[in-house]
Amino acid sequence: EAQVTQNPRYLITVTGKKLTVTCSQNMNHEYMSWYRQDPGLGLRQIYYSMNVEVTDKGDVPEGYKVSRKEKRNFPLILESPSPNQTSLYFCASSKRTGPAFFGQGTRLTVV
Amino acid sequence: KQEVTQIPAALSVPEGENLVLNCSFTDSAIYNLQWFRQDPGKGLTSLLLIQSSQREQTSGRLNASLDKSSGRSTLYIAASQPGDSATYLCAVSSWGSYNTDKLIFGTGTRLQVFP
Repeated sequence: EAQVTQNPRYLITVTGKKLTVTCSQNMNHEYMSWYRQDPGLGLRQIYYSMNVEVTDKGDVPEGYKVSRKEKRNFPLILESPSPNQTSLYFCASSKRTGPAFFGQGTRLTVV
Repeated sequence: KQEVTQIPAALSVPEGENLVLNCSFTDSAIYNLQWFRQDPGKGLTSLLLIQSSQREQTSGRLNASLDKSSGRSTLYIAASQPGDSATYLCAVSSWGSYNTDKLIFGTGTRLQVFP
């Protein structure tokens, strides 16, 4: 089954404790992205990758890191999480001209 | 800077009605436009994708149109059903730096279809 898999689905952590949210897709898509969704602000792109070792900042990259060492994986790293990074996070993948496939989301709470 | 607006923000209709959701964008230089459905606590599901060279796409009871010159798209849902209740999101794909494209989303229309 074609899918984008994120882990974990839910995470509560403390300020400053490094964390990684994993994302994997099994569709051999070139493009992968991370978004955060906040009430009243909608979905905003954090980072984007068009292929292995090629990444680009989105609209809200501050406080986040990404890497694309393999085509199927695109982890999101929060080196020192802060409460303003409490949000619902989505990973997405797509081909160049095709629709975007989204993961089920990761609800992160930073206390 | 590309901005996407969706009207109305919420809509409640009786089962069986035909309805139209609206999406507008400020910059007509888009690559494509997608309509998504989001159910509470779940991810986004792509419903329809319209390439910039196309005028409309259809899938079952859904029809999406695109008018680039006026910066508008509509999603038409025929014979609505309670199972259509969800938030519908419109997103345009615009060019970012390094020739990469990114999705810019509207804030969605929350639809409730009651029996």
